[in-house]
Amino acid sequence: DAGVTQSPTHLIKTRGQQVTLRCSPKSGHDTVSWYQQALGQGPQFIFQYYEEEERQRGNFPDRFSGHQFPNYSSELNVNALLLGDSALYLCASSLLAFEETQYFGPGTRLLVL
Amino acid sequence: AQSVTQLDSHVSVSEGTPVLLRCNYSSSYSPSLFWYVQHPNKGLQLLLKYTSAATLVKGINGFEAEFKKSETSFHLTKPSAHMSDAAEYFCVVSDDNQGGKLIFGQGTELSVKP
Repeated sequence: DAGVTQSPTHLIKTRGQQVTLRCSPKSGHDTVSWYQQALGQGPQFIFQYYEEEERQRGNFPDRFSGHQFPNYSSELNVNALLLGDSALYLCASSLLAFEETQYFGPGTRLLVL
Repeated sequence: AQSVTQLDSHVSVSEGTPVLLRCNYSSSYSPSLFWYVQHPNKGLQLLLKYTSAATLVKGINGFEAEFKKSETSFHLTKPSAHMSDAAEYFCVVSDDNQGGKLIFGQGTELSVKP
């Protein structure tokens, strides 16, 4: 049973560029959440997608956007990258109607130069 | 609003000695609480969760945590540390108890000395 997978594992971009990160949820899960983890800090909630709609959103600017596809996979897009966007981006999946436990992928490490 | 505070940023123990990682929470209702572990350059792994069924929760790898409402605490313990336990540990509270936003503490780095 495959767990949560994310791609790519590492990414280097320059300021002002745009980036797309991808996530495939654990088999049978229908909900995807995204978190940003800056170095030395706990993860911060970006948003959650359920039934292809943004269900909840954290305190992140509109430069951060997402999408969920019919197969429940998801993308995180960040526009106009800033140096401060450098972080580990974590995707978590869950089965919303049945339990609230979120299962995390290995993350994508983004470095903005 | 819900929040968690991890009382120690770093804990160091010797192999074979007990582990205690402290967490206090703040919640306007009975919360759902979790402990996750993060090994270097890895994602987060669920250790255990509390969802009001039993106050003493057993998790994986010999860890357990006790929910104490009177003290608003959810401390993580293990009787005997192993070298492989060295990692970052996060105490987490659910913001809405409905599967949405998770709120993480700042983390406690556990070092295990041989």
